[in-house]
Parts: sequence; C-alpha cells; structure tokens
Amino acid sequence: SQQGEEDPQALSIQEGENATMNCSYKTSINNLQWYRQNSGRGLVHLILIRSNEREKHSGRLRVTLDTSKKSSSLLITASRAADTASYFCATAMDSNYQLIWGAGTKLIIKP
Amino acid sequence: DTAVSQTPKYLVTQMGNDKSIKCEQNLGHDTMYWYKQDSKKFLKIMFSYNNKELIINETVPNRFSPKSPDKAHLNLHINSLELGDSAVYFCASSPLEGIGELFFGEGSRLTVL
Repeated sequence: SQQGEEDPQALSIQEGENATMNCSYKTSINNLQWYRQNSGRGLVHLILIRSNEREKHSGRLRVTLDTSKKSSSLLITASRAADTASYFCATAMDSNYQLIWGAGTKLIIKP
Repeated sequence: DTAVSQTPKYLVTQMGNDKSIKCEQNLGHDTMYWYKQDSKKFLKIMFSYNNKELIINETVPNRFSPKSPDKAHLNLHINSLELGDSAVYFCASSPLEGIGELFFGEGSRLTVL
C-alpha cells in the first residue's frame, strides 16, 4: 500500500540551484526516511528523521518534518549533475513492521 | 565488499518457466526483504524475514516463495512465470525490524517473454 505521496513527480533544474521535494503521508509515524535511486541501481538510504524531530541535516541535504501537517521536505542545496536520480520517501509506523513508500520524485540536474 | 548482493542482475525467460533470484547480506542484519518495483517505479514489499521467520507476506501469488537457509540469505523462487511478473526485484536488509534503515541490493531485472 502507498501511504506517501511525493511532489513534484519530476523536477528539472540547473546545476547549482537548490532542489526541494515534498512528501505527505496519512497516519502517525515512528520515523520518515529518504532514499535515492540512481538509474538502474538499488536504493540508497539518505537520512532518517524521527517523529519527535523537526529538522535534520546531512551534508548538502536538509530534511524537515511537520507532523501536524503530516509532511516532510527534502532540500538539496547547490545541486550537482550527480544528484540526478529518483528520490523516495518512506514512512515507518509503530504498529506495522514495514516501510510505506511514496511514488518518488525524479530529479534531473542540467549542466 | 558488497553489503547486499543479489544474482542474477538480469534474467530473461519464457512464460511458464521457474526461476530463482538469490540474495546474500554480510551486514549481520536480522531482517531481510524482497521488494518488487514496477515500470512506474512503485515499490511494493513482497516478503520480510526476521531471523529466518516469515513475518510479512503481502498479497503475493503463491507462485512466489521465499526461502531463507540462514539469516544471511533470502532467496526468491518464482514458479510458472507470467508476463506481469516482469519487474525489478530488490533484496534489502535492516538491523531493525520494520522501522529502521534499509540496505538494498542492486536489483534483479526480470523480463518474461
């Protein structure tokens, strides 16, 4: 089942610009995770933010979580061509032993 | 050292055949998963094994059977392949059942002709 909805579905920006992707979900969560998938490759975990956290940073990545709005955003600053990939959010609920995945945002960084 | 490895990477076969995909993780994780990713990139969990015990079996046809000889391996066997089985299948592992970070393999692209 798909809980997360991501927008936009696709995003194309110039290298050096910032990219923002959003994820909304429906039920209470334990944590929310962001993953990157390069074309033809497996998913790679980027960052995990717990339900009691509001913001988290990792290098050029900044993730925010608003549990009142049931939404999260992933900001990639100073984008590079290598950031071209699909980005997925996944939510983990206390009552369920599985991650629920969004449909992904396809990000294209133009040189 | 590849953390989660799955073989084969590509598999092309005829309808009706039986095939297997193997997965191994060297991370010492207790939980392993099989996911299916369709052509629209939707990820759907198929199976989860925790310490060799099946803990999730989503609405997957019984033509699909996971086999875990030990906690480092989770293989996927598919009987009587159908056209709709064409997809990319990902193996993953996690140190925490259900809610932790997942480590994915590179995927096995199955094409059924």
